[in-house]
Amino acid sequence: EAQVTQNPRYLITVTGKKLTVTCSQNMNHEYMSWYRQDPGLGLRQIYYSMNVEVTDKGDVPEGYKVSRKEKRNFPLILESPSPNQTSLYFCASKRGGGADTQYFGPGTRLTVL
Amino acid sequence: GESVGLHLPTLSVQEGDNSIINCAYSNSASDYFIWYKQESGKGPQFIIDIRSNMDKRQGQRVTVLLNKTVKHLSLQIAATQPGDSAVYFCAENNNAGNMLTFGGGTRLMVKP
Repeated sequence: EAQVTQNPRYLITVTGKKLTVTCSQNMNHEYMSWYRQDPGLGLRQIYYSMNVEVTDKGDVPEGYKVSRKEKRNFPLILESPSPNQTSLYFCASKRGGGADTQYFGPGTRLTVL
Repeated sequence: GESVGLHLPTLSVQEGDNSIINCAYSNSASDYFIWYKQESGKGPQFIIDIRSNMDKRQGQRVTVLLNKTVKHLSLQIAATQPGDSAVYFCAENNNAGNMLTFGGGTRLMVKP
């Protein structure tokens, strides 16, 4: 089944404790992206990757890192999480750049105390 | 399920009626627009898309209309069903397709 998977689905952590949220897709998509969703603010793009070893900032990249060492994986790294990064995070992928449909993962609910 | 928005505009319709959800977009250079449906506890799910060289596109029970003059997008759902209850987002593709900007979302509630 074609899908985007994220782990963990739920995470509660404390300020400053480094964490990684994994994202994997099995559709051989070149493009992957991370979003955060907050009440009243909708979905905002954090980082995206056009292909292996190619990443770029979205609208809200501060406090986040990403890496794209393999085509199928695109982990989101919070080196020093803060409470304002408490949010619902979604990973997405699509075949390539340009006008194409993005497929979203199920989401990761992160709480930073 | 996960809450996707505490103060979303809400459209309440009777089962079987048609629904129209509206969206204003911001970037006149955007060339591709998508409607997503998000159910509680799930990620956004693609419904229908339209390119900027079109005014209208129809799918199964759904139609998207694009008015570039006023930068307005609408989603029409025919014969709305309880399973259509969800939050609906429009999104515009920009930066040569590399970035997706979402609207704030509209909650659709279908009364049986």
